[in-house]
Amino acid sequence: GIQVEQSPPDLILQEGANSTLRCNFSDSVNNLQWFHQNPWGQLINLFYIPSGTKQNGRLSATTVATERYSLLYISSSQTTDSGVYFCAVGGGADGLTFGKGTHLIIQP
Amino acid sequence: DTEVTQTPKHLVMGMTNKKSLKCEQHMGHRAMYWYKQKAKKPPELMFVYSYEKLSINESVPSRFSPECPNSSLLNLHLHALQPEDSALYLCASSRASSYNSPLHFGNGTRLTVT
Repeated sequence: GIQVEQSPPDLILQEGANSTLRCNFSDSVNNLQWFHQNPWGQLINLFYIPSGTKQNGRLSATTVATERYSLLYISSSQTTDSGVYFCAVGGGADGLTFGKGTHLIIQP
Repeated sequence: DTEVTQTPKHLVMGMTNKKSLKCEQHMGHRAMYWYKQKAKKPPELMFVYSYEKLSINESVPSRFSPECPNSSLLNLHLHALQPEDSALYLCASSRASSYNSPLHFGNGTRLTVT
């Protein structure tokens, strides 16, 4: 199956800092999504981004499908951004394969 | 607020009990999913229903039995579970499983098997 690697595994930042999270995948995909899981376990879909660039407020994402990676940018971090960020990919079959996630802690 | 509703939020059950987890969505989605998530691990796919038909079963033990009564509802029947089945069970939906569309998750049921 498709392998998904996320980096870094852990990240601790001060409030106001910017960060870049990376997702590498082993095969071509036509479905890539970024999720944020907050400390209460809620999984929120941030982006559906199989290719190209999207922005939503302080968050943006870029996927370069030909090079098999995606980046999630968080600017001006807030404590509410803390949690685990997952990249999930699918190659046209049903369901998504999740990476192990990046655990982000934003300190006040 | 999530548009996928899961009940109950928490469940404690013994190994001889029978219980059910419920999931409901009213977004008109035709694909629904069950995922299992252990602590500090990513979600793992258990079942996929597409147009009320089971399309993927990721070799899940028979003590987990899914049911999709209609396009808005998804149940997971639990019987004779083991303590290692304790986890967060997440329901999700999307427009259709064969199309690439965003996945929407419910808030999950936190299951403890004693």
